[in-house]
Amino acid sequence: AQRVTQPEKLLSVFKGAPVELKCNYSYSGSPELFWYVQYSRQRLQLLLRHISRESIKGFTADLNKGETSFHLKKPFAQEEDSAMYYCALRGPKTIFGAGTRLFVKA
Amino acid sequence: GAGVSQTPSNKVTEKGKYVELRCDPISGHTALYWYRQSLGQGPEFLIYFQGTGAADDSGLPNDRFFAVRPEGSVSTLKIQRTERGDSAVYLCASALAENTEAFFGQGTRLTVV
Repeated sequence: AQRVTQPEKLLSVFKGAPVELKCNYSYSGSPELFWYVQYSRQRLQLLLRHISRESIKGFTADLNKGETSFHLKKPFAQEEDSAMYYCALRGPKTIFGAGTRLFVKA
Repeated sequence: GAGVSQTPSNKVTEKGKYVELRCDPISGHTALYWYRQSLGQGPEFLIYFQGTGAADDSGLPNDRFFAVRPEGSVSTLKIQRTERGDSAVYLCASALAENTEAFFGQGTRLTVV
């Protein structure tokens, strides 16, 4: 069965500190993973996908099939990074995790 | 319009009533998705349309829920005999094709009292 787990509901860091939002998945096939972000009062939007291997707004995420993880990382958090972050897995359908709220303190 | 539009943005209805939620996708997008997001949860898949047909409706929770997309553009999610547990934000997303980036609407917040 498809499953996405984001173990942290809330993550609070100081500006300039590194940040890692955890995501673990369960899927028997070849996974396609994404991170979505929702800023305050804005709609859900795609942040990055693992197949692109890109860095968006300083964020990166590496798919680790051995650990079935797709953690989102940024070396130096900014206040404007404060938002809800959702990890998503596309198999037969797209499954979202419960989300992690990132709060970056000044 | 420039993005996915959902109407109404808020809907309050009494238990037992029928409601319709509308989604206007981005022009030219053939794929359309409906999700439901309860408080503190991520979006939960309901149904996926490719063109006019429902390619996957396995996420619809029961037969009170139904969705249509008769002309392959606008879609309507219909909920009969609403229950308090149906209260959630209903999200619509569209994509140029399956497996391409999906763009989300702002959602419709449904409250059943």
